[in-house]
Amino acid sequence: QSALTQPRSVSGSPGQSVTISCTGTSSDVGGYNYVSWYQQHPGKAPKLMIYDVSKRPSGVPDRFSGSKSGNTASLTISGLQAEDEADYYCCSYAGSYTFGVFGGGTKLTVL
Amino acid sequence: EVQLVESGGGLVKPGGSLRLSCAASGFTFSSYSMNWVRQAPGKGLEWVSSISSSSSYIYYADSVKGRFTISRDNAKNSLYLQMNSLRAEDTAVYYCATSYGYRFDYWGQGTLVTVSS
Repeated sequence: QSALTQPRSVSGSPGQSVTISCTGTSSDVGGYNYVSWYQQHPGKAPKLMIYDVSKRPSGVPDRFSGSKSGNTASLTISGLQAEDEADYYCCSYAGSYTFGVFGGGTKLTVL
Repeated sequence: EVQLVESGGGLVKPGGSLRLSCAASGFTFSSYSMNWVRQAPGKGLEWVSSISSSSSYIYYADSVKGRFTISRDNAKNSLYLQMNSLRAEDTAVYYCATSYGYRFDYWGQGTLVTVSS
């Protein structure tokens, strides 16, 4: 399984919105509604932010939202805050024997 | 509060073996699938292996198949990863993570495995 494709970096100013894309194939992103997104600050463990394409775990601000169209999933962060600066990874279920395929990660910089 | 604490990492020579452990608390361990996910230094996340709640279903990434073995002991609330025939490219921080559905809900802080001569 090949990794999902994410932009290496995105940036935005406080209060703005940014969108991070995650492109796969019909065998992963396009084939299942099981895309999840993770936030990782330097030296810390990843944290689940979005699951099943667009659901938010308890405690995750509603500034974070997810969507999917065809083979591409997206994470949108609105009302950017300084603490949103982190690496973001998408992940998709890819069939019976591949529980998760990750994207390469996107570094979000809050200007 | 969910807690996952990994241990067992360290420095090992190529071709060597290592056994990682993950001690779980704060939730009903026997009800959750569990996973190992790794991250090479400065690189992205890579799913390694998953095991269902009763150990009935076990999956491995192609990169570790035949060399790594995942297991769990529900009586001890513990998850394990036996790693054999280690290679330099297995060098990474190894995280254990819970799953309830197709996602990784909670993560431990990780344990570093370094494969080097």
